[in-house]
Amino acid sequence: GQNIDQPTEMTATEGAIVQINCTYQTSGFNGLFWYQQHAGEAPTFLSYNVLDGLEEKGRFSSFLSRSKGYSYLLLKELQMKDSASYLCAVRGQNSGYALNFGKGTSLLVTP
Amino acid sequence: GAVVSQHPSRVICKSGTSVKIECRSLDFQATTMFWYRQFPKQSLMLMATSNEGSKATYEQGVEKDKFLINHASLTLSTLTVTSAHPEDSSFYICSARGPIPRPQETQYFGPGTRLLVL
Repeated sequence: GQNIDQPTEMTATEGAIVQINCTYQTSGFNGLFWYQQHAGEAPTFLSYNVLDGLEEKGRFSSFLSRSKGYSYLLLKELQMKDSASYLCAVRGQNSGYALNFGKGTSLLVTP
Repeated sequence: GAVVSQHPSRVICKSGTSVKIECRSLDFQATTMFWYRQFPKQSLMLMATSNEGSKATYEQGVEKDKFLINHASLTLSTLTVTSAHPEDSSFYICSARGPIPRPQETQYFGPGTRLLVL
């Protein structure tokens, strides 16, 4: 099975930087994903890590340490529209590409 | 990019009735589709994996006789909630496995269907 933990809620200020952590325990690992989900909408893909290290994509970066079962999503230059839920998801080795999602971190960006 | 649609986007039904939700890949063929369910303030929970031309694989705790999945073509999978009850009220989201073997974009999500059972 897979256990995925991330903080329930976070608040940050517009223009600031915020880091959302995710820890996981899995019997097999074949990639970690971050998705953004606005209320009532489907998740949208943000990032993917399968090797250790940092992946940067514009204002968003994602880091992975497989030995520690740890990832974080870094959001820079926060904007009000970044207020959303951020989901950490792990793909197991034998899951057939299905994803196991964490409960999500609700981020509130304030003026 | 790959687009996935769902229909209906919102449905209200009476307890005991059946509801069918369609998931379509609009511009690519999807041999595998996934059905998720999301309760308020909860994460997405995988219900089943749907493979074209074969029986769906259900996750533990998901009743296959209650949640009927049909994946008859490479662009359409349907989820039928049979004899729906209020506790089935939820946000149902499908995703389709992308056509290009780029692992980071393996799944494309539909916009979701909000089901309310009265």
